[in-house]
Amino acid sequence: DTAVSQTPKYLVTQMGNDKSIKCEQNLGHDTMYWYKQDSKKFLKIMFSYNNKELIINETVPNRFSPKSPDKAHLNLHINSLELGDSAVYFCASSRTGWSQPQHFGDGTRLSIL
Amino acid sequence: SQQGEEDPQALSIQEGENATMNCSYKTSINNLQWYRQNSGRGLVHLILIRSNEREKHSGRLRVTLDTSKKSSSLLITASRAADTASYFCATAPGGSEKLVFGKGMKLTVNP
Repeated sequence: DTAVSQTPKYLVTQMGNDKSIKCEQNLGHDTMYWYKQDSKKFLKIMFSYNNKELIINETVPNRFSPKSPDKAHLNLHINSLELGDSAVYFCASSRTGWSQPQHFGDGTRLSIL
Repeated sequence: SQQGEEDPQALSIQEGENATMNCSYKTSINNLQWYRQNSGRGLVHLILIRSNEREKHSGRLRVTLDTSKKSSSLLITASRAADTASYFCATAPGGSEKLVFGKGMKLTVNP
């Protein structure tokens, strides 16, 4: 009965590779997010989708491409991975509306060798 | 720049004591939220306080909001070892849909 689940939990890969992280929520929420948390625990929003439509696109390199096949799924594809991409990536979801409480997955720890 | 800043950045207390964390922010808000993050886990929403509310309670949690000072505090009473976690405040600056999180504050409750 996991609310927001993301896979994989750990991702270790070489610089230059392409990788994807998947996220699914079973809360019936219309809005989903991707966040990046760095080693100092600073959490920064990357993207937000509402009903499969991109509504927030922060200053993120275009190597990062989100895809929402339906409102319960939001995947993140990263091309040409760089050392600075090492971080924990969190998926979250919420109901639509101004600053609604968000439900987070347990994160994907990405390590670039 | 950061919208929310928690203070102190780290706090270590004994079980049974109260823990108070403060958050300051810069712009007008619709609401302010507090989240907890246990080690290796995602953030968990604790409580939301609207801009027209001054105080809110949820179990052992008490949140206050002072919009004139642009600050909020989270009080955890009768702390337990299980309260050991990082705590974040989050606001939506200018009423936007984007939540901006503070840097977080690490609370350690010693048994």
